[in-house]
Amino acid sequence: AQSVTQLGSHVSVSEGALVLLRCNYSSSVPPYLFWYVQYPNQGLQLLLKYTTGATLVKGINGFEAEFKKSETSFHLTKPSAHMSDAAEYFCAVTPPGSARQLTFGSGTQLTVLP
Amino acid sequence: KAGVTQTPRYLIKTRGQQVTLSCSPISGHRSVSWYQQTPGQGLQFLFEYFSETQRNKGNFPGRFSGRQFSNSRSEMNVSTLELGDSALYLCASFSLGTGLNTEAFFGQGTRLTVV
Repeated sequence: AQSVTQLGSHVSVSEGALVLLRCNYSSSVPPYLFWYVQYPNQGLQLLLKYTTGATLVKGINGFEAEFKKSETSFHLTKPSAHMSDAAEYFCAVTPPGSARQLTFGSGTQLTVLP
Repeated sequence: KAGVTQTPRYLIKTRGQQVTLSCSPISGHRSVSWYQQTPGQGLQFLFEYFSETQRNKGNFPGRFSGRQFSNSRSEMNVSTLELGDSALYLCASFSLGTGLNTEAFFGQGTRLTVV
């Protein structure tokens, strides 16, 4: 069975500061990993994904994440937070080869302070 | 091209009633999955359909069911509604191709409130 743990249900950063959202996974095989963002009353939008290959993955809106197998982590970062980044972020995992059955973390609410 | 369309966006039902939610995937996508999102349980997988066949099912009671039509549109049904069924129900459709290209595209969801 696979699982995802997101450390910190709420994270606050100042505008312009580094954003770091933590995600650790548990899987018996190398999984596919995803970060999604959700704005209020909206669906989920894919920020980035790791399947195979390069472990540093760049996504939309300046976000990136690094797959670290030794640490079973896939933390999301952005060098400089913008007010528009305020949203809820979800890390998700699937077995390799399919994104059709995602297992999500509990989510991290990001607040950006002016 | 048009995204995933879920209807209705908002719904209020009474305990004991049943409800049907609809999802139209992106044109050309043949796989659809459903998720339930609640503040207490987070995002949980309900079921997945591909070519009109249910491929996977999450850990939900039999009151939750679904189907997929030949045009890939999907519906999910919840019978004998309970207060705890109040949630945002999200549908995702998937592109064809190899696993490396498989990516979920989500609709905006249907917000179901059971009173």
